Amino acid sequence: GAGVSQTPSNKVTEKGKYVELRCDPISGHTALYWYRQSLGQGPEFLIYFQGTGAADDSGLPNDRFFAVRPEGSVSTLKIQRTERGDSAVYLCASSSRGTSGVDEQFFGPGTRLTVL
Amino acid sequence: DQQVKQNSPSLSVQEGRISILNCDYTNSMFDYFLWYKKYPAEGPTFLISISSIKDKNEDGRFTVFLNKSAKHLSLHIVPSQPGDSAVYFCAAMTQGGSEKLVFGKGMKLTVNP
Repeated sequence: GAGVSQTPSNKVTEKGKYVELRCDPISGHTALYWYRQSLGQGPEFLIYFQGTGAADDSGLPNDRFFAVRPEGSVSTLKIQRTERGDSAVYLCASSSRGTSGVDEQFFGPGTRLTVL
Repeated sequence: DQQVKQNSPSLSVQEGRISILNCDYTNSMFDYFLWYKKYPAEGPTFLISISSIKDKNEDGRFTVFLNKSAKHLSLHIVPSQPGDSAVYFCAAMTQGGSEKLVFGKGMKLTVNP
């Protein structure tokens, strides 16, 4: 019974480089969320997928950030031309989004991104 | 503009005593509230939640109280145990739509043996 997994656990990159962060949700979970947690802050919403489609991307800070979920399971968060301010822990969560009630979001351990 | 506020960054209590963690929110559209617990190098773990149609929800040692008129909720842990030492996040959402969580900054709880 695997939980949400994220790879890599740590990523160090240089300013201006491109990075990809991967999320493997719990099997069967149709909803997938990306959050970003900066130092001393709570997680902040980035984007929500229901199935393959990005149903809410209102939290993406700018067009350097993009995410995909082509087959409705694994998702990749892509950051172009990284900046030092992108340094944070990127968290992924998934839920089953049933037809009634609120379904718990299960979080992965996160990817710590450091932009030098 | 913080919509969910946890104004105390830390709390220290003795084992066996009660821990009370507070949270305030500003967005009246929020109708579901959650508490998450986070250990270092791990993702947040769901602890307990409450719908806006209730004013109290209890699960073992954990009770969450909601005061809608004051836009305030609190988490009570009794009795506190050393294993409860962690960072606690208050979160809120609006049901339907994306159900994205809006988090507070978190509060570090230390339970001393």
